[in-house]
Amino acid sequence: GAVVSQHPSRVICKSGTSVKIECRSLDFQATTMFWYRQFPKQSLMLMATSNEGSKATYEQGVEKDKFLINHASLTLSTLTVTSAHPEDSSFYICSARESTGGARVYGYTFGSGTRLTVV
Amino acid sequence: ELKVEQNPLFLSMQEGKNYTIYCNYSTTSDRLYWYRQDPGKSLESLFVLLSNGAVKQEGRLMASLDTKARLSTLHITAAVHDLSATYFCAVGLTSGTYKYIFGTGTRLKVLA
Repeated sequence: GAVVSQHPSRVICKSGTSVKIECRSLDFQATTMFWYRQFPKQSLMLMATSNEGSKATYEQGVEKDKFLINHASLTLSTLTVTSAHPEDSSFYICSARESTGGARVYGYTFGSGTRLTVV
Repeated sequence: ELKVEQNPLFLSMQEGKNYTIYCNYSTTSDRLYWYRQDPGKSLESLFVLLSNGAVKQEGRLMASLDTKARLSTLHITAAVHDLSATYFCAVGLTSGTYKYIFGTGTRLKVLA
């Protein structure tokens, strides 16, 4: 089945630094990838939709200059948390939509998530 | 604003008992997904429901979809401890954005 690799799984960074999280579709092409944020014991909040070759679409209230998204190829999207602060600490999860249309039938595949801790 | 609400938010039940989790949503959609999340982990796909009246079963879990009522249910039969996890429903938008909007989640704890 479709596999999405997310890296790193855990990262600790100092306040003020930037962190890059990668999301790769390993055996399929993904025109669209999604980035979610999850606080402890809460639901997944959609942050942005990443489309290959174009600018990401951010959800209301998400700072685009804080969370930079790049979808440079059909298999890779990256989320960069810039000038990270402790309040950015969270669990970040990506998901990928298969370009061939099987996504509706099988649902999107989710990455394993990245636990970001800003100290 | 699209809302996806689950009920209950937290469920503690004895092994062997039955229970139903409800997922209500506020917009038109014909695609509803159920996921399981274990602590510290990502999401595991459970069911994909793509039409009104769809019913799917896997082991002790059964999911159904009523698009007219904008309601999906996840029924647990004879619960076992291994089912303890958080369950999310997600509504797929049909407007062309392909987004999923997740429900509030139901934390299930099955007591031995």
